[in-house]
Amino acid sequence: DTEVTQTPKHLVMGMTNKKSLKCEQHMGHRAMYWYKQKAKKPPELMFVYSYEKLSINESVPSRFSPECPNSSLLNLHLHALQPEDSALYLCASSPQLLAGGNNEQFFGPGTRLTVL
Amino acid sequence: QKEVEQNSGPLSVPEGAIASLNCTYSDRGSQSFFWYRQYSGKSPELIMFIYSNGDKEDGRFTAQLNKASQYVSLLIRDSQPSDSATYLCAVNGGPGSSNTGKLIFGQGTTLQVKP
Repeated sequence: DTEVTQTPKHLVMGMTNKKSLKCEQHMGHRAMYWYKQKAKKPPELMFVYSYEKLSINESVPSRFSPECPNSSLLNLHLHALQPEDSALYLCASSPQLLAGGNNEQFFGPGTRLTVL
Repeated sequence: QKEVEQNSGPLSVPEGAIASLNCTYSDRGSQSFFWYRQYSGKSPELIMFIYSNGDKEDGRFTAQLNKASQYVSLLIRDSQPSDSATYLCAVNGGPGSSNTGKLIFGQGTTLQVKP
């Protein structure tokens, strides 16, 4: 199984809603990532978990809250989002969080989020 | 200077030709280099990775790395219309840098393969 899955595929939410994005991988990878991607831009890193611990937070606003319940699952909890947060949210995983080697990242299909 | 630079294109090649995509990076300590293909509305798909200087071939794709020149390229032989997509170059931050463990992406090159 070489797949990263994400649910839901699409999400529309109001600015007062609370919702969660889910990501799952069964490749035994120990690093998992959340990215945000706007149209015609490259993915922008938000959070990185390594061995289920938060390793990198790219100064993301607190209305985004990540959670890693176990080595296969990654959640992103959303609360009080703004319309400018509308984007494609991508989850990725890699075998390890390393500078060199064994760190190829594989992306899930993404969740298309629209904030009204 | 941007950390990872790519020509945004579009790069237009006829079907059957070789498409050459180029990327330069600024972190001399970087050790891992990746090429992703992204179709419109889809997520990035890893198509090649390279860690050592030289060439790495996989089917119609060849990745080339020159660490001395801080240059990585992707060649697509026998280009097909289905290769039309945005190609993202990504570089992993070197050890000891503020970007260690992070993928730094270029802006992407749009490739158009015309039948």
